[in-house]
Amino acid sequence: EVQLVESGGGSVLPGGSLRLSCAASGFNLQTHWMSWVRQIPGKGLEWVANIKQDGSEKYYLASVNGRFTITRDNANNSLSLQMNSLRVEDTAVYYCARDDGVRAFDSWGQGALVTVSS
Amino acid sequence: VVMTQSPLSLPVTVGQPASISCKSSQSLVYSGANAYLSWFHQRPGQSPGRLIYKVSKRGSGVPDRFSGSGSGTDFTLNISRVEAEDVGVYYCMQGTYWPYTFGQGTKLEIE
Repeated sequence: EVQLVESGGGSVLPGGSLRLSCAASGFNLQTHWMSWVRQIPGKGLEWVANIKQDGSEKYYLASVNGRFTITRDNANNSLSLQMNSLRVEDTAVYYCARDDGVRAFDSWGQGALVTVSS
Repeated sequence: VVMTQSPLSLPVTVGQPASISCKSSQSLVYSGANAYLSWFHQRPGQSPGRLIYKVSKRGSGVPDRFSGSGSGTDFTLNISRVEAEDVGVYYCMQGTYWPYTFGQGTKLEIE
């Protein structure tokens, strides 16, 4: 069974940093693009970043480019999102999601809540 | 690419059909024929789940009462007979262009 489990969420002051992790199991991580998608509580979905199977390509939402960094460790079946210079508007539930190979997400984690507030 | 869904709220009686529209601000056609348009369903308190990918292909385990159609900039998700478990919010998403973008969501409620 495919499983994605996020960790590392929490509360942080504006300007602070946080690192999210996603532990993958039940499939070979290195065969899939992986993404982070966020959702402001009670609001819609917003794609944040993704990374190619071997880590050679990465793409970011314009508003997080330069502040967030997506990485992966295929040997340890994990995905990460380093978030620096956090803003109040980054407050959201962050989901780890697997790209199904045709640019849709066929598996999602349970989400990790990130709260940026003074 | 801006994705616009309608309606934003959809009250439906169990057993009745339902339809959600999704329009993109530019054509989602890629490599001549493909359009990377997918649909997701999010039940209250849960993560989203994939229903449809590449416009009309049902995901694994998705009931056949769900179907997707469309081309270019206009796409539709149809539910032939709504069941109580179909409540929640439905999102379309385009994957043809970076960044991937989602529609605002359509909240389906049972009348």
